[in-house]
Amino acid sequence: EAQVTQNPRYLITVTGKKLTVTCSQNMNHEYMSWYRQDPGLGLRQIYYSMNVEVTDKGDVPEGYKVSRKEKRNFPLILESPSPNQTSLYFCASRQTGSEKLFFGSGTQLSVL
Amino acid sequence: KQEVTQIPAALSVPEGENLVLNCSFTDSAIYNLQWFRQDPGKGLTSLLLIQSSQREQTSGRLNASLDKSSGRSTLYIAASQPGDSATYLCAVMVGGYNKLIFGAGTRLAVHP
Repeated sequence: EAQVTQNPRYLITVTGKKLTVTCSQNMNHEYMSWYRQDPGLGLRQIYYSMNVEVTDKGDVPEGYKVSRKEKRNFPLILESPSPNQTSLYFCASRQTGSEKLFFGSGTQLSVL
Repeated sequence: KQEVTQIPAALSVPEGENLVLNCSFTDSAIYNLQWFRQDPGKGLTSLLLIQSSQREQTSGRLNASLDKSSGRSTLYIAASQPGDSATYLCAVMVGGYNKLIFGAGTRLAVHP
């Protein structure tokens, strides 16, 4: 089944403790992206990647890092999480030239 | 800067009603406009995609229109059902397919 898989689904952590949210897709998509969703604000793009080793900032990249060493994986790294990064995070992917995005099921992160 | 607004923020209707969800955007320079459905714990599902050169798209009981010059789109749901209860998100694609700008969504409840 074609899908975008995020892990974990839920995560509670404390300020300053480094964490990684994983994202994997099995559709051989070149493009991958991370969004965060906050109440009343819709989804906002954090980072995106056009292909392996090619990443770029979205609208809200501060406090986040990403890497794209393999085509299927696009992890989101929070080196020193803060409470304002408490949010619902979504990973998405699409084929180059296609406009259709496939989304993961989301990761609810709480930073205490 | 592109901004997407959805009205109303929440809507509750009895089963069987036809309803309209509204989306407006501030910059007409878009590649397409997309409507998504978001169910708790299940991520986003693409419903309809309207190219910037198109006026409308239909899928089953759903019809989406686009008026790029006025910066507006509507999602029409015919004969609503309890299973239509979800949050509906509108998004415009900009930046060479690299970014989707989302509205905050309309939370729809259809009661029997």
